Amino acid sequence: DAGVIQSPRHEVTEMGQEVTLRCKPISGHNSLFWYRQTMMRGLELLIYFNNNVPIDDSGMPEDRFSAKMPNASFSTLKIQPSEPRDSAVYFCASRRGHASSYEQYFGPGTRLTVT
Amino acid sequence: GQQVMQIPQYQHVQEGEDFTTYCNSSTTLSNIQWYKQRPGGHPVFLIQLVKSGEVKKQKRLTFQFGEAKKNSSLHITATQTTDVGTYFCADSSGGSYIPTFGRGTSLIVHP
Repeated sequence: DAGVIQSPRHEVTEMGQEVTLRCKPISGHNSLFWYRQTMMRGLELLIYFNNNVPIDDSGMPEDRFSAKMPNASFSTLKIQPSEPRDSAVYFCASRRGHASSYEQYFGPGTRLTVT
Repeated sequence: GQQVMQIPQYQHVQEGEDFTTYCNSSTTLSNIQWYKQRPGGHPVFLIQLVKSGEVKKQKRLTFQFGEAKKNSSLHITATQTTDVGTYFCADSSGGSYIPTFGRGTSLIVHP
């Protein structure tokens, strides 16, 4: 199994530009999470999908952030317009089931730098 | 999700010394998961504890769940440089489908 796949691995962009992060979960996993990690705030959950439906997006910082999951094998996280404070590592994780007792499998992350 | 507090935030040890990180909650947890993140890497699932007083071992790592299910610990015996990283606990309590991660304990092992 290829594991969770994220692209790009690194993104450097200027303030005001649109950024799109991509994730392919593990085949057969029906839960998908987007996290943001920074030194200051640790690992923050942004949004959780189950069966392609957003279940909890309370962690999405503001309207500049949006996430979609058009099908079971693909999700995107978009930031428009980006700001320097969005600089962080963004992880996508997938899980086999809806219950929180299932372990999460994290992707390698996208390191975003907004200048 | 519930709040889980991890201590210490950082721990420096000499190679060969033992290491322990603690995860505490003010409320009862249904289960607890532990993850390890190497520097520059991503969190990797280590283990899940479910039962009161449960103890599980993975080689030099020993995981415990408190009798009251309000705390958990990870103990590493005779640390090695390969143990370097940040160890996270995650509360995966029943009724919540979203695990809550602690802030993690960063382990630095000096050779």
